[in-house]
Amino acid sequence: SAVISQKPSRDICQRGTSLTIQCQVDSQVTMMFWYRQQPGQSLTLIATANQGSEATYESGFVIDKFPISRPNLTFSTLTVSNMSPEDSSIYLCSVDSPWGGVEETQYFGPGTRLLVL
Amino acid sequence: GEDVEQSLFLSVREGDSSVINCTYTDSSSTYLYWYKQEPGAGLQLLTYIFSNMDMKQDQRLTVLLNKKDKHLSLRIADTQTGDSAIYFCAEFLDTGRRALTFGSGTRLQVQP
Repeated sequence: SAVISQKPSRDICQRGTSLTIQCQVDSQVTMMFWYRQQPGQSLTLIATANQGSEATYESGFVIDKFPISRPNLTFSTLTVSNMSPEDSSIYLCSVDSPWGGVEETQYFGPGTRLLVL
Repeated sequence: GEDVEQSLFLSVREGDSSVINCTYTDSSSTYLYWYKQEPGAGLQLLTYIFSNMDMKQDQRLTVLLNKKDKHLSLRIADTQTGDSAIYFCAEFLDTGRRALTFGSGTRLQVQP
């Protein structure tokens, strides 16, 4: 399995500002994913991040609003830009099986709880 | 298209069995997962089943897969108050996208 940490665990931000969320994995992984979970809702994929290439965004999400970095095989960041109250959500980082794994399992970080005032 | 559906709420008494159901529409699902989310926490992978299996048991958890009806269930034996959480089913499609599609989640309430 993979152990995933996220920073910050929670934050309260003012509208119009930006927040960068960090995701760190304890082993090298091929693919990292960023999901959003709005209050009382299920998870929605924002984008997939591979090292050395641009992130792939899902419909309804754009790079200008959610820029993503993936500088190496154990780390990624998601920035929520020009925030509005509608961005208040839990943002979760996920990874696929660490190298050497044989099953298609995906593991999640603890999430970053964001409240935008 | 991808669509995963779950009932929203289930209430059981401590010691009883819980059965949480999930339906999916895409027959090309290769793996199906159950995740648990406790209040204020992230998602914990509970168990998963490969699409060529019809049952998987892991301690108190039993997963049943009916591919014909595209129906997945999670049975928790001897349900405890610590099992109170939201349970999400999710499917993985081997289409290159590699992300998961989640159901809406079922809130399980265990009454003492």
